[in-house]
Amino acid sequence: ETGVTQTPRHLVMGMTNKKSLKCEQHLGHNAMYWYKQSAKKPLELMFVYNFKEQTENNSVPSRFSPECPNSSHLFLHLHTLQPEDSALYLCASSQGAGGSSQETQYFGPGTRLLVL
Amino acid sequence: EDQVTQSPEALRLQEGESSSLNCSYTVSGLRGLFWYRQDPGKGPEFLFTLYSAGEEKEKERLKATLTKKESFLHITAPKPEDSATYLCAVGGSGNTPLVFGKGTRLSVIA
Repeated sequence: ETGVTQTPRHLVMGMTNKKSLKCEQHLGHNAMYWYKQSAKKPLELMFVYNFKEQTENNSVPSRFSPECPNSSHLFLHLHTLQPEDSALYLCASSQGAGGSSQETQYFGPGTRLLVL
Repeated sequence: EDQVTQSPEALRLQEGESSSLNCSYTVSGLRGLFWYRQDPGKGPEFLFTLYSAGEEKEKERLKATLTKKESFLHITAPKPEDSATYLCAVGGSGNTPLVFGKGTRLSVIA
């Protein structure tokens, strides 16, 4: 397995369900990111972790809960979501975090989420 | 506040018809401008990073250039497989997160 992987690739959930998205990077990077991509909108940064520490929470509702147990794995726990949360959720990693010369981000394939 | 505007929103080209995509930006000190390609249902794929005005980078039929206010992605003699959405992102001074544009959706017709 190489690069950044995400599971599941597709997810349908009801508003009362609890689910988790998983991301794993095989690049030896130290920073990991969650983004939300909706139609006709730019990529929206949700969370940033650098060396397992959360360094950015972009005013994300508490129904999204990130977890970073180590530099290679990142989770996004979902509960009581709303239909407007339906989107493509992208994970990315970089060697360094913002402000460093090694901040080029590499993305996973995304999880297409549909909330009913 | 850092801002990125990409134009056009969509572009349709005949195979072999060269053109350019634009990324205009406003940042308080540019630390890097990034170009990505995104195919439908997939994550963005990194293409280039540009750091200073006057810098140029090339990859196959793509060439990215940078000025103090904008970047261009030139596509020379495009092929149908170049069809994708091209995203631009900028990083401002300090540790501010990257800001992405909405992208340009390119269609190359055989």
